[in-house]
Amino acid sequence: EVQLVESGGGLVQPGGSLRLSCAASGFTFSSYAMGWVRQAPGMGLEWVSVISSSGRNSYYTDSVKGRFTISRDESKNTVYLQMNSLRAEDTAVFYCARGSRGLGSGHYEYWGQGTLVTVSS
Amino acid sequence: QSVLTQPPSVSAAPGQKVTISCSGSSSNIGNNHVSWYQHLPGTAPKLLIYESNKRPSGIPDRFSGSKSGTSATLGITGLQTGDEADYYCGTWDSSPNTYVFGPGTKVTVL
Repeated sequence: EVQLVESGGGLVQPGGSLRLSCAASGFTFSSYAMGWVRQAPGMGLEWVSVISSSGRNSYYTDSVKGRFTISRDESKNTVYLQMNSLRAEDTAVFYCARGSRGLGSGHYEYWGQGTLVTVSS
Repeated sequence: QSVLTQPPSVSAAPGQKVTISCSGSSSNIGNNHVSWYQHLPGTAPKLLIYESNKRPSGIPDRFSGSKSGTSATLGITGLQTGDEADYYCGTWDSSPNTYVFGPGTKVTVL
């Protein structure tokens, strides 16, 4: 059974940093791209970032470029999202999702339950 | 503001059919597969359709997808109260290499 379990969310002040983790199990982690999607309060789903199965390619939505970094650790079957210079508008539930094989330009079949990030003073 | 366009809401009586449109451009839907997701806020989104018209294992055939040119459509037949949710289309956008979701469509069962 595929499982994705996010952790690392919480309350952080504007300008602060947070690292989200997503522990994956039930599939061959190294074969799939992994992504992050968020939903701000009252808003729709917003794609944030994806990292290819090899880890060599990563892509970001414009609003987080230069502030967020996605990475993966094959030894731990875990994908991370390092978030720096956080802003109030980053407040959202962040979901980890398994992408397609390879570069990750396809669909997201499995999702975690989400972790809440609140940016507020 | 999404580069994909969806109607904000659709509704129908139980047992009836609804369709949800998703309109884009040549850089996204026109040259990439479309996926559809069902989402109840606070829960994990669920993939309903991938590669424009394929259903993952466990998704009933009441859900169907199609694509033509720069537009895609999700159909739901035999509407049930459990289908009340937000539905999002999603696809890769080759310019500028990002995945994009539509703004979402709320389905209401009357």
